[in-house]
Amino acid sequence: AQSVTQLDSHVSVSEGTPVLLRCNYSSSYSPSLFWYVQHPNKGLQLLLKYTSAATLVKGINGFEAEFKKSETSFHLTKPSAHMSDAAEYFCVMNSGGYQKVTFGIGTKLQVIP
Amino acid sequence: GAVVSQHPSWVICKSGTSVKIECRSLDFQATTMFWYRQFPKQSLMLMATSNEGSKATYEQGVEKDKFLINHASLTLSTLTVTSAHPEDSSFYICSASLGETQYFGPGTRLLVL
Repeated sequence: AQSVTQLDSHVSVSEGTPVLLRCNYSSSYSPSLFWYVQHPNKGLQLLLKYTSAATLVKGINGFEAEFKKSETSFHLTKPSAHMSDAAEYFCVMNSGGYQKVTFGIGTKLQVIP
Repeated sequence: GAVVSQHPSWVICKSGTSVKIECRSLDFQATTMFWYRQFPKQSLMLMATSNEGSKATYEQGVEKDKFLINHASLTLSTLTVTSAHPEDSSFYICSASLGETQYFGPGTRLLVL
């Protein structure tokens, strides 16, 4: 079965400290994995994606994620949190090209000044 | 690149009326588009997959006669909420596929009075 597990529903960090948002996946196929960010009352913006190329993926706004097949993980990190990073983050998996994707439940990131 | 727009961004309507929401891929062609519904503080729920030139595929529990989807061109899909009721009030988000990646629209907030 295909599934995406975001291990934390809420993460709180201080401004300027590192961010770690965790995502684990389960897939019968080699998946493509994505991180999206959603600000209140907005759509989802693509942060980065892994599609079987380099396992360390760099995205926008200083975010990056590493695909670890042995751990079935795709954690999102950022060295230094900014106030504007406060938002909801979704880990998403595509197991089959043009097919529908699988969403994680989302992680709400709070950044404390 | 890969921009998806939605119109309107906000709509308020009376119970019993119909509302049409447009989803456009502005700078690419999308054979497949998706319609989601998002409840407060929850992840996205897939309603249907819209394929250009063919009937939409609805997820289990989604009434196809209530949520009419038309994908008449490679850049436009529409969702019509027919005979809307207050329980249809929600945030509706579309996405368009470009390869393995889905690009999301900014969402439409529907309020049915």
